[in-house]
Parts: sequence; C-alpha cells; structure tokens
Amino acid sequence: DAKTTQPTSMDCAEGRAANLPCNHSTISGNEYVYWYRQIHSQGPQYIIHGLKNNETNEMASLIITEDRKSSTLILPHATLRDTAVYYCIVIGNEKLTFGTGTRLTIIP
Amino acid sequence: GAVVSQHPSRVICKSGTSVKIECRSLDFQATTMFWYRQFPKQSLMLMATSNEGSKATYEQGVEKDKFLINHASLTLSTLTVTSAHPEDSSFYICSAWGDGNTEAFFGQGTRLTVV
Repeated sequence: DAKTTQPTSMDCAEGRAANLPCNHSTISGNEYVYWYRQIHSQGPQYIIHGLKNNETNEMASLIITEDRKSSTLILPHATLRDTAVYYCIVIGNEKLTFGTGTRLTIIP
Repeated sequence: GAVVSQHPSRVICKSGTSVKIECRSLDFQATTMFWYRQFPKQSLMLMATSNEGSKATYEQGVEKDKFLINHASLTLSTLTVTSAHPEDSSFYICSAWGDGNTEAFFGQGTRLTVV
C-alpha cells in the first residue's frame, strides 16, 4: 500500500473550514484514498473515501488532485467535537495500514 | 452505518494469564477482519489480517503464538493474548470489512491492563 504523509498537528477556529492535507505520491491506479478520524480512546470513525473524483458527504468533502498524488479533507464548519486525530489511508488490497495522522484541534 | 461490536471494552488481568477479546459484525458478514494495537499517543499498528475460515496473516514482528486470532465465522473474530505480561498492556482495536462494503468499520476498542 502507498505511504501517506500528513502534518503532525493543526489548529482551526470553531466555525471555520478545516483543511487537512495528505500526500500520497506513490499511489497506484487502483488504490483509493480513505479518511478516518479517531477521538480519544475510541475506535476510528469512517469519514469519506474517493478514487479520483472529488467526493462530498454529510461529514466532509474530499478533494483529490488530478495526478492523485495528494488530497485534502475539508470539514466545512468545524465544531469542537471535530477535535480528533485524522488519518489519511491509501487502500488497494483491503489492507488498512495507518500512518501517524494529523491531530486537529478546534479552537473556541 | 454498519456496526462492529468489540468486547470487553476494558479488562485487567494478572501477568501470566490469557485474555480473549471478541469482535463481532452485527449487521453484515465480515469476510476480512483486522486487529490493531495502539500505545498512548501513537498510531494504530496493524497486528494481523484474518479471513473467515483461514489462518491469520501476521505483520512482521507480531508473535502469532502469543496473539492467537480465530475467525471461525463471518460475524466473529477473536484475539487471545496468551501469557500476558505488563508490556502487552495496550488498546486493542478490531476492524471488519465485508463484501459489498465500501469501507471498513471499527470496534470501540479494548483497553487491556496487565498487572
């Protein structure tokens, strides 16, 4: 599976959009980009995934660059409950390997 | 969304004893299950991948005789930590992926403390 690189931590003001970047320059053609988040001492929660088109659901939007080497997760109106560690994962053969993730802190 | 139930949520055991953790997919058939271990302030480390009816595939450095994984049915996988030691104290998390699912679902985790 392709390796991902994310910033260690980010802050975002409550009510603003949180934009979390992820680099996956070695991604191959059949690998999907998945985003999960983990709130302290809980199991990870699925957020969104995509292959090459941008995706949107009730939680977030996923923007994937045309060359698929990077993506951005967007939380449009961040709330305090969005404080968590966000993991960007590339999956091709259904093996889920987590990187270090981004610790997102929403500031009141 | 689909539900994965993990039990127990917390367990304290004495050093040298064995502990079994169950992971159940409640509303779908989990053809593949993953087991992870997570130490404080660290990411999830994949321990093994199991497919129903076959032996688990362990990641490098994970002792298969110490961490016994059984995936006997499409809705249940178990992880048994044998002869537990204090260094096995950690947060253990399971994940399940089924045919027709577009994402993996995670259990709520089990915090194991070995004293």
